[in-house]
Amino acid sequence: DAGVTQSPTHLIKTRGQQVTLRCSPKSGHDTVSWYQQALGQGPQFIFQYYEEEERQRGNFPDRFSGHQYPNYSSELNVNALLLGDSALYLCASSSQYEQYFGPGTRLTVT
Amino acid sequence: AQRVTQPEKLLSVFKGAPVELKCNYSYSGSPELFWYVQYSRQRLQLLLRHISRESIKGFTADLNKGETSFHLKKPFAQEEDSAMYYCALRLGYSGAGSYQLTFGKGTKLSVIP
Repeated sequence: DAGVTQSPTHLIKTRGQQVTLRCSPKSGHDTVSWYQQALGQGPQFIFQYYEEEERQRGNFPDRFSGHQYPNYSSELNVNALLLGDSALYLCASSSQYEQYFGPGTRLTVT
Repeated sequence: AQRVTQPEKLLSVFKGAPVELKCNYSYSGSPELFWYVQYSRQRLQLLLRHISRESIKGFTADLNKGETSFHLKKPFAQEEDSAMYYCALRLGYSGAGSYQLTFGKGTKLSVIP
């Protein structure tokens, strides 16, 4: 089991564009969370998906949306990119007893 | 609103010296607290959680509800302890796999040989 995997590793986008980030959870995990980690900051919770529905959401605008598929994999979509969206985006999958983080996708908005 | 504060951005100690990484929290509910560690070029990983009351890699942390603190301690620092450490608070329960975490800004621990 490779654990939580994320793609792509790095991404460069232009302001105003849209981006999709992908996450495959650890085997046996059915819940996926997304976090944004700006430089020098701790991860900040964006939202969480369980049973293909958004269950919890942090303080992020509607430009941030997601999806979870029947195989529990997930996508994070960000529309109308701003320079301030440049960050490391972390995916975490969890079961009742544990949570694991992926390596992250580094998004740079120019 | 919940908040996790790690007052030190950087902590440097000599090998063999004791280590204490501070974490304070504010939360109106019953907290569940964690320490995560990120070694160089590795992903964020769980170090320990307060409900387990265990020692991992020589580190321990005790939840002090009176002082709203969850400081991470190790009696003798090792060079391999050098890493970024994050304290995190798990919010209200909303399902078995619900792990909505609030993180502090992190403390970089540097162990000097």
